[in-house]
Amino acid sequence: GESVGLHLPTLSVQEGDNSIINCAYSNSASDYFIWYKQESGKGPQFIIDIRSNMDKRQGQRVTVLLNKTVKHLSLQIAATQPGDSAVYFCAEKETSGSRLTFGEGTQLTVNP
Amino acid sequence: KAGVTQTPRYLIKTRGQQVTLSCSPISGHRSVSWYQQTPGQGLQFLFEYFSETQRNKGNFPGRFSGRQFSNSRSEMNVSTLELGDSALYLCASSLNQGIGTEAFFGQGTRLTVV
Repeated sequence: GESVGLHLPTLSVQEGDNSIINCAYSNSASDYFIWYKQESGKGPQFIIDIRSNMDKRQGQRVTVLLNKTVKHLSLQIAATQPGDSAVYFCAEKETSGSRLTFGEGTQLTVNP
Repeated sequence: KAGVTQTPRYLIKTRGQQVTLSCSPISGHRSVSWYQQTPGQGLQFLFEYFSETQRNKGNFPGRFSGRQFSNSRSEMNVSTLELGDSALYLCASSLNQGIGTEAFFGQGTRLTVV
């Protein structure tokens, strides 16, 4: 079936560096994408979202890029901090309803 | 504003038993979705409820069921538990359905089947 997946299972960066987490999706009909952060023992936490009619959206220290041509999504975290260490998931949301299809997740580790 | 509340946080059950998990969405939210999270399969959609009606269902056996009450609170039930049902069960609530409606997750219920 359709799926959303991540290229890298783990990413280790130094504090202060910029981090880039990538995601590939396969459903060309997807029109809404979300990045979630999940810390140990907690549920996923919304970071940023983007609709398919956009190719870039910025938040506080985070930027999401969408390339519909190659079905690729990325999350950029500026000046990565130890508190950013977590598992990051991309997710696709269908046009109607609330169903989310999640990618595999990337474990981000920030070294002090 | 209180977040999504899931109870209990932890459960240990024996194979063959049944279990009921509860989710109280954020006040005013009418959409509740359930997900199963395991190390091997990641986050998998179980079902979605809106206004007491199941709107969508994932690819899980009939042993998994759910319901939503008039106050939007939701329960999910798993009957005849199997070892493979051990997982973190997450509930997410949204104000409404559709694009751009942010989903807020609870902390989950950790179910262990022995």
